[in-house]
Amino acid sequence: DARVTQTPRHKVTEMGQEVTMRCQPILGHNTVFWYRQTMMQGLELLAYFRNRAPLDDSGMPKDRFSAEMPDATLATLKIQPSEPRDSAVYFCASAGEGGRNQPQHFGDGTRLSIL
Amino acid sequence: GDSVTQMEGPVTLSEEAFLTINCTYTATGYPSLFWYVQYPGEGLQLLLKATKADDKGSNKGFEATYRKETTSFHLEKGSVQVSDSAVYFCALSDGDSWGKLQFGAGTQVVVTP
Repeated sequence: DARVTQTPRHKVTEMGQEVTMRCQPILGHNTVFWYRQTMMQGLELLAYFRNRAPLDDSGMPKDRFSAEMPDATLATLKIQPSEPRDSAVYFCASAGEGGRNQPQHFGDGTRLSIL
Repeated sequence: GDSVTQMEGPVTLSEEAFLTINCTYTATGYPSLFWYVQYPGEGLQLLLKATKADDKGSNKGFEATYRKETTSFHLEKGSVQVSDSAVYFCALSDGDSWGKLQFGAGTQVVVTP
């Protein structure tokens, strides 16, 4: 089965460092989503792209977070500078054509710990 | 705006018991409805979906029926196994959202032998 691939799976770093998380969507999928999951807030949508163009990034703290799709096979989420409150699991998901009827396919996430 | 409400967990059951997780939604249009499951250390996986009223989604012994009159999409399974222990998320996608999902808070299910 085709899968969404996220790297790294785990990341531990100190406050103030830059963090880059990568996502390879399923080949042929043209919509990519970034989520953050914490115990307190649950699952939050940070940003999403369609055909590599950002559609909505209103869920992201703009001063430190940035999301891009350099090409159709790679999406990145960067945090600079990182803070302890950014500790969470970050998920990428992709979906194909079909709008509301298309399910999202999730990667296994990047577990981020900021010390 | 759109929203999804699901019953709080954890729900603790014995093996072979009947499982129901309630989910209700609020939407202005005619959404598609989904159940996702998340096993420990993994991402969410699609469990089943229904795209219009009275549709029944089913997979792996789980079922849910899209009830427009009660705006509900309750998940059921007749006989749970220990391997069904996971967090279950109800979600909706409306017609104008390019596939964006509105998730419920998730319900943890624990099945004991």
